[in-house]
Amino acid sequence: DTEVTQTPKHLVMGMTNKKSLKCEQHMGHRAMYWYKQKAKKPPELMFVYSYEKLSINESVPSRFSPECPNSSLLNLHLHALQPEDSALYLCASSQRGDRGAGNTIYFGEGSWLTVV
Amino acid sequence: AQTVTQSQPEMSVQEAETVTLSCTYDTSESDYYLFWYKQPPSRQMILVIRQEAYKQQNATENRFSVNFQKAAKSFSLKISDSQLGDAAMYFCAYRINQGGSEKLVFGKGTKLTVNP
Repeated sequence: DTEVTQTPKHLVMGMTNKKSLKCEQHMGHRAMYWYKQKAKKPPELMFVYSYEKLSINESVPSRFSPECPNSSLLNLHLHALQPEDSALYLCASSQRGDRGAGNTIYFGEGSWLTVV
Repeated sequence: AQTVTQSQPEMSVQEAETVTLSCTYDTSESDYYLFWYKQPPSRQMILVIRQEAYKQQNATENRFSVNFQKAAKSFSLKISDSQLGDAAMYFCAYRINQGGSEKLVFGKGTKLTVNP
């Protein structure tokens, strides 16, 4: 069973709101990822957590704050976003994320975010 | 820098026919992993096929197969007996190491249309 579950599927928020995107996997994977995807573009990596520690931050603005409470959960806290942050946010996981692992990355269905 | 190039923004194929999607990549590594992902209108990224660079044999998954040419750094996807459900955006991806972790780098994608 390769399932990554994301909630909510759709989110509309104002520029002064604080909201969170949630991601959960029960495959025993130890690496989790957040990707951002704009329309007609490939996904762009935002963050990687490996063994519950932040290992990659692709210079993402601080208005995006990731959190990995445990090995199964990954959150993305959103605050003071801009309209250009509207996009599909994809969560993903893999068995391991460390060098040489080469494990397949499995994606969730994504959360559509609209900032108004 | 590692890059992935998909030179065909759009392709079309008749139902039951065969189509090949192109992908080239640039890397200085000798051991790496390549993937094809499919993203239908539902927007979930679905793994189609994976290839380990150390394996000379081309990967196959039912109607999907790859032509992996390591020296030429080419990784094309062949879809046989195309079905309407194959219509989607297809992304070629390369898994790279960064800061002790691994991440996917995607090509820009090829939009595949399947005509009945």
